[in-house]
Amino acid sequence: DGGITQSPKYLFRKEGQNVTLSCEQNLNHDAMYWYRQDPGQGLRLIYYSQIVNDFQKGDIAEGYSVSREKKESFPLTVTSAQKNPTAFYLCASSTGRNTEAFFGQGTRLTVV
Amino acid sequence: AQSVTQLGSHVSVSEGALVLLRCNYSSSVPPYLFWYVQYPNQGLQLLLKYTTGATLVKGINGFEAEFKKSETSFHLTKPSAHMSDAAEYFCAVSNTGYSTLTFGKGTMLLVSP
Repeated sequence: DGGITQSPKYLFRKEGQNVTLSCEQNLNHDAMYWYRQDPGQGLRLIYYSQIVNDFQKGDIAEGYSVSREKKESFPLTVTSAQKNPTAFYLCASSTGRNTEAFFGQGTRLTVV
Repeated sequence: AQSVTQLGSHVSVSEGALVLLRCNYSSSVPPYLFWYVQYPNQGLQLLLKYTTGATLVKGINGFEAEFKKSETSFHLTKPSAHMSDAAEYFCAVSNTGYSTLTFGKGTMLLVSP
């Protein structure tokens, strides 16, 4: 089945550690996205990539980094510079402009 | 820049009652509009979308939405609520010139027996 796979589903991190969230898609989509979700705040865009080897900052990119070396993969690293990393992270993909985004099942990151 | 306002962070209905979730948008160009549903600890699932053409859009699970340009609205409705409709609903608008979407803050739908 085609879709988006995020792993792990739950992730615990100690303060001061970097952690990488995985996102893989087999939909052959060009564009991929990372959103952060906090209660009552909707989805906020962290980074997006419209093509391999290129990506742009979203609204809340500080403390995060990404790479897009393959069309299928768009990993997100939450660095120690992110002051409040505990959140639900959603990865998505789409065919491009003015099209719907398809979402993974999310990763819940908790800093302990 | 595009923006989306969802009126009411929580909406409560009884099973069998009409569901109405409100969404207003701002866009400098004709918008592409979307409604998504999210169940707890899951990703978002597309309910329906408006691109061009017919302003009344039908989606999955009996939901529909009407695009009203004069009111800059895209409200989501369902004639009869079911317990399984309890979830959070997000309205989104496409961003001009980009492949990204801007989301509203979401409306939690509560359905009581």
